[in-house]
Amino acid sequence: DGGITQSPKYLFRKEGQNVTLSCEQNLNHDAMYWYRQDPGQGLRLIYYSQIVNDFQKGDIAEGYSVSREKKESFPLTVTSAQKNPTAFYLCASSPGQGINPKAYGELFFGEGSRLTVL
Amino acid sequence: AQSVAQPEDQVNVAEGNPLTVKCTYSVSGNPYLFWYVQYPNRGLQFLLKYITGDNLVKGSYGFEAEFNKSQTSFHLKKPSALVSDSALYFCASDSGGYNKLIFGAGTRLAVHP
Repeated sequence: DGGITQSPKYLFRKEGQNVTLSCEQNLNHDAMYWYRQDPGQGLRLIYYSQIVNDFQKGDIAEGYSVSREKKESFPLTVTSAQKNPTAFYLCASSPGQGINPKAYGELFFGEGSRLTVL
Repeated sequence: AQSVAQPEDQVNVAEGNPLTVKCTYSVSGNPYLFWYVQYPNRGLQFLLKYITGDNLVKGSYGFEAEFNKSQTSFHLKKPSALVSDSALYFCASDSGGYNKLIFGAGTRLAVHP
């Protein structure tokens, strides 16, 4: 089955530690995204990538880093610089702008990773 | 700045009754508008979208939404609610291309038997 796999589903971290969340897709999508979800605030965009080896900051990139070395993978590192990292993190993908105009805005989401800082 | 507002934190409706989840938007240019649904501890699923054309758009699971330009609204509707429709619903708009979506805060829909 095609889809997006996020791991781990739950993660606990001590303050001052970096942690990396995995996101893998087998949908052959060009574009990938990381969102952060907090109660009552909806989703906020952290980083996005339209193509391999290229990515851009979203609205709340401070304290986070990403890489896009392969089309299938878009890992997110939550660094110790992130002041309030406890949240639900969602990875998404899409065919990419211009690839399938009819599918514009239709993101495919993983099931999320819940990070708790102790 | 572009934004999406969902004025209700929670909507309660009895099974079999019609439901409406409200969304208003503030975007420059022609709005691209979307509805997504999230079940507990899961990712979001695309429901429907308005890009252009007919103001009434139909989507998955019997949901529909009406685009109203004069009221800058894009309310989600369903004629007859099911208990299984209980979930968190997000309205979203496009943010300058590249499938970068701006999401509202979400509305929790509770359908009671």
